Amino acid sequence: DIQMTQSPSVLSASVGDRVTLNCKASQNINKYLNWYQQKLGEAPKLLIYNTNNLQTGIPSRFSGSGSGTDYTLTISSLQPEDVATYFCFQHNSWPLTFGSGTKLEIK
Amino acid sequence: EVQLVETGGGLVQPGKSLKLTCATSGFTFSNAWMHWVRQSPEKQLEWVAQIKAKSNNYATYYAESVKGRFTISRDDSKSSVYLQMNSLKEEDTAIYYCTTVADYWGQGVMVTVSS
Repeated sequence: DIQMTQSPSVLSASVGDRVTLNCKASQNINKYLNWYQQKLGEAPKLLIYNTNNLQTGIPSRFSGSGSGTDYTLTISSLQPEDVATYFCFQHNSWPLTFGSGTKLEIK
Repeated sequence: EVQLVETGGGLVQPGKSLKLTCATSGFTFSNAWMHWVRQSPEKQLEWVAQIKAKSNNYATYYAESVKGRFTISRDDSKSSVYLQMNSLKEEDTAIYYCTTVADYWGQGVMVTVSS
């Protein structure tokens, strides 16, 4: 199975900061990497699919990059509404797997 | 409007069975690859199962943790996907989401396995 390791597990930043969340796969996942945002009490919401494609309706301050085993979600200017847990997800090979999440907080 | 509505959750004893249903509307269900994803009380997301479309011969895939115990199926005439869960264990306790993994997610249904 492909293991997905997210770092950091908790990130505290100020409004307006540029924030970077990391996701490392245990083997090459060929850019088949999605990012989800989950707010308290809600279902996950797709932000980025296949590494760097912004889902319709998602603000442009969110972006994704990466290749091989290393992937990044960047928020260019953190907003209060971005408080949530962020999960990466590989769909390159079965069984599909999620990372353990990064909880993003506002300082 | 797209809707995915999961039903069938509840409290069940270890070793028993439960069947979840996800009724969908608002998108072309017959073409969609459908998944079940669960979230543990510790908030960890786990992919559970996938079923592809008729054009892919309804191929199915499972997480190792549920293989042999859970069965995913679909009824395109009802735009619904199902998860039959047998031999339930306490570690199957979670919120179960029906999803395309991309655009669409249900609100989730709680399954609690406890004696």
